[in-house]
Amino acid sequence: AQSVTQLGSHVSVSEGALVLLRCNYSSSVPPYLFWYVQYPNQGLQLLLKYTTGATLVKGINGFEAEFKKSETSFHLTKPSAHMSDAAEYFCAVSGNTGFQKLVFGTGTRLLVSP
Amino acid sequence: GAGVSQSPSNKVTEKGKDVELRCDPISGHTALYWYRQSLGQGLEFLIYFQGNSAPDKSGLPSDRFSAERTGGSVSTLTIQRTQQEDSAVYLCASSLRGQSTGELFFGEGSRLTVL
Repeated sequence: AQSVTQLGSHVSVSEGALVLLRCNYSSSVPPYLFWYVQYPNQGLQLLLKYTTGATLVKGINGFEAEFKKSETSFHLTKPSAHMSDAAEYFCAVSGNTGFQKLVFGTGTRLLVSP
Repeated sequence: GAGVSQSPSNKVTEKGKDVELRCDPISGHTALYWYRQSLGQGLEFLIYFQGNSAPDKSGLPSDRFSAERTGGSVSTLTIQRTQQEDSAVYLCASSLRGQSTGELFFGEGSRLTVL
């Protein structure tokens, strides 16, 4: 079974500041890990994913995340926040064989102030 | 259309009524998923269809919930005898394959309010 914990339902940063959204996972099998973003009044879209290979993965809009097995973490970062990054971010996990449904975290709303 | 289309976008109903929510996936996508998004609860998996295989209904919260997918394309989620706790945003997603590679394409959701 898989589960995801996202620390902080809301994160506030100033424009230009570092963005760090935390995600810890639990999985009984090697995981696939994902970050999805939901902009206001829009559907979720895939930001980035880790399946195999390089543990540092880069996504759209300058975001990246690092898979750290020893810490069971997959934190999302961006060096410099932009106003347009304000959205809700969801971390998700699945198993790595066959169809295993995505299990989502409760989401973190990122607020960016000028 | 280019993306996943859901209707209605908003639905207000009275407790005890039945509702139907529709999802039109991206053309050619063989896998279709329903999730429920409640405030502070994240996304809850409901049901998954893959081609002509039997659907994975393991996430349906009660027998008041059912879903079908006709002709391998459009899907309808039906909630019978709605309760206030059914109020949520119901999200549909589709993907090219059933493998959980994470490349799900989501619709904008149907917001259900049960009074």
